[in-house]
Amino acid sequence: EPEVTQTPSHQVTQMGQEVILRCVPISNHLYFYWYRQILGQKVEFLVSFYNNEISEKSEIFDDQFSVERPDGSNFTLKIRSTKLEDSAMYFCASSEILFYTEAFFGQGTRLTVV
Amino acid sequence: EDKVVQSPLSLVVHEGDTVTLNCSYEVTNFRSLLWYKQEKKAPTFLFMLTSSGIEKKSGRLSSILDKKELFSILNITATQTGDSAVYLCAVLSGGTSYGKLTFGQGTILTVHP
Repeated sequence: EPEVTQTPSHQVTQMGQEVILRCVPISNHLYFYWYRQILGQKVEFLVSFYNNEISEKSEIFDDQFSVERPDGSNFTLKIRSTKLEDSAMYFCASSEILFYTEAFFGQGTRLTVV
Repeated sequence: EDKVVQSPLSLVVHEGDTVTLNCSYEVTNFRSLLWYKQEKKAPTFLFMLTSSGIEKKSGRLSSILDKKELFSILNITATQTGDSAVYLCAVLSGGTSYGKLTFGQGTILTVHP
């Protein structure tokens, strides 16, 4: 069964460093998303991406964050200067059709900022 | 601000019991409501509901949506220890945007043998 894959599964980084989280969405999907889940809290929407541009972003997705689809298969989330409060599980998701279809989630990247 | 509230927050039952999980929502531009099961990491999709009153069923799990009262329930009959997980309700909304999922805080279900 096709799946969304994310790498790495766990990343530890020092505060102030840049990190790039990588995702390979399901191949025929057109809509891509990043969510995060701080330990013990809700899953929170960060950003949605379609046709090579951001279509919606939450208030969490500030100037420190950026997304890119550099090569037609990978979908990346970059955090420029990590803060302690960026520590969370980051989930990538993709969906085939915009509305009335489910988004499939990857296994997540656990980001720990020390 | 879009809001999704789940209840109860946690539930402990024994194998064979039937459980009902609740999800209420207040969102603008409602598109659909989704249920996910989260065991260790990624949420895995269970159901998507778009129309009121039509039950979706998969094995021992079923779900229904009430768009007038703005809630959904997820039923699990004859629970098994493998049903132990966090069950997430999420609402897909979006007007001119391309849809975002707003999640509830989840219901932690523990099924004892």
